[in-house]
Amino acid sequence: AQKITQTQPGMFVQEKEAVTLDCTYDTSDPSYGLFWYKQPSSGEMIFLIYQGSYDQQNATEGRYSLNFQKARKSANLVISASQLGDSAMYFCAMSPTGTASKLTFGTGTRLQVTL
Amino acid sequence: DADVTQTPRNRITKTGKRIMLECSQTKGHDRMYWYRQDPGLGLRLIYYSFDVKDINKGEISDGYSVSRQAQAKFSLSLESAIPNQTALYFCATSRQGGVHRTDTQYFGPGTRLTVL
Repeated sequence: AQKITQTQPGMFVQEKEAVTLDCTYDTSDPSYGLFWYKQPSSGEMIFLIYQGSYDQQNATEGRYSLNFQKARKSANLVISASQLGDSAMYFCAMSPTGTASKLTFGTGTRLQVTL
Repeated sequence: DADVTQTPRNRITKTGKRIMLECSQTKGHDRMYWYRQDPGLGLRLIYYSFDVKDINKGEISDGYSVSRQAQAKFSLSLESAIPNQTALYFCATSRQGGVHRTDTQYFGPGTRLTVL
C-alpha cells in the first residue's frame, strides 16, 4: 500500500518569496512516480510537475522544482518567486510503476500568497 | 475546447435517486479514472478503466458503478444516492504505459454533487 503525507495544512508566503511545500511518502514499490497538482479556488486539478523514482536529477518546470530525497522518502515542492495567482491547494500524489497508474493523494496544503 | 469534460458541473439530488455523471475526453488516452474529493481527505479513487473491456474497482467503489461506453467516454453512476456521497467528483485520463512523465493524469473540471 502507498501513503502520502502532507503535514502542512496551511502556509503563508509573501509575494516574490520562495516557499517549500512538504511531502513524504511510503511505498514498497521499487519504482514509482511522484506528482504535484494545484487546485485553485475554481476547483480544477492542474498538473505541475513529475519526478520519477529513478530520475537522477530533480525535476523542474518553470518556477516549480521538486526537491527529491529518495532515502528520506520526501518529494517537496519548491515554488520560487511566488505570485498572487499561486494561492491554491497543492496536492502531492504518487503512482506505482508497471501497468497500474493509480494515483494516491495526500490531504493537501493550502498556500496563501500575501502582498 | 477542454480535453476532459464532465457533465453536469453541478447537481443537487435527493436521497435514493439514481444519478449518472459523465466524462468525455479528446486526448486519445486509453485510461480513465473516477475520483471523489472530500474536504480534508484529498482525492480517492473510485473506479478506473484501462480500456473499454477493462473495469477495476478503486479504493472506495461501494455504492458506485461505472460504464466505459467508448474509449473516450466513462460514466459514473450512483444507483441510490445517499447524503455521504456529497462530494466533488473528478474524472481523469492518462496514456497507457509505466510511470513516466507521459503517464501523467489529466483531470476534468469536476462535478459538484449534493445529495439531500
